[in-house]
Amino acid sequence: QQNVQQSPESLIVPEGARTSLNCTFSDSASQYFWWYRQHSGKAPKALMSIFSNGEKEEGRFTIHLNKASLHFSLHIRDSQPSDSALYLCAANYAQGLTFGLGTRVSVFP
Amino acid sequence: VTLLEQNPRWRLVPRGQAVNLRCILKNSQYPWMSWYQQDLQKQLQWLFTLRSPGDKEVKSLPGADYLATRVTDTELRLQVANMSQGRTLYCTCSAASGQGSSYEQYFGPGTRLTVL
Repeated sequence: QQNVQQSPESLIVPEGARTSLNCTFSDSASQYFWWYRQHSGKAPKALMSIFSNGEKEEGRFTIHLNKASLHFSLHIRDSQPSDSALYLCAANYAQGLTFGLGTRVSVFP
Repeated sequence: VTLLEQNPRWRLVPRGQAVNLRCILKNSQYPWMSWYQQDLQKQLQWLFTLRSPGDKEVKSLPGADYLATRVTDTELRLQVANMSQGRTLYCTCSAASGQGSSYEQYFGPGTRLTVL
């Protein structure tokens, strides 16, 4: 059984700031780790995934993974108002993804 | 490009009544189809993954009972019964499945169910 926990529950950040979101998981059997973003009233959409320990960068977004500490994180550089959304972390487990409860991010101009 | 269509997009469900949902796959490159539920607290939970026509599975969770059917290579159905709390059901598709799968899950637009 995989248990995924996210922190913080919510964040309010000024435009241009760096946003950092955290996720812990309980079962080291998971191999792939994902961040999804869900805008209000819309379906979740994948942002990025990571498999190996370390860091992966795509544009303004960076994922860190540390399997030994059962932790991964998402960092958003130069946050924009359009980044305001619910961010969901997930680990693949059995046939589906196990999701955290989400972090609600609000970026104000 | 739309990979999945879901209908209906929303439904008011009288307490005790079942509702049938449908998901249509538009791209055969992503044949692994799944259902996820998102409750009112935004917790997203995997329900089923069905690959082949004729596959069926049932599941009972707090607040609803589910029957999922893979009808054809392009159609997935879900019957929701005994629903006590509102939720949104998402259909997803993927190129592969399983614990070692790196493939992205693409979400459909969702069906929002409200209990009357």
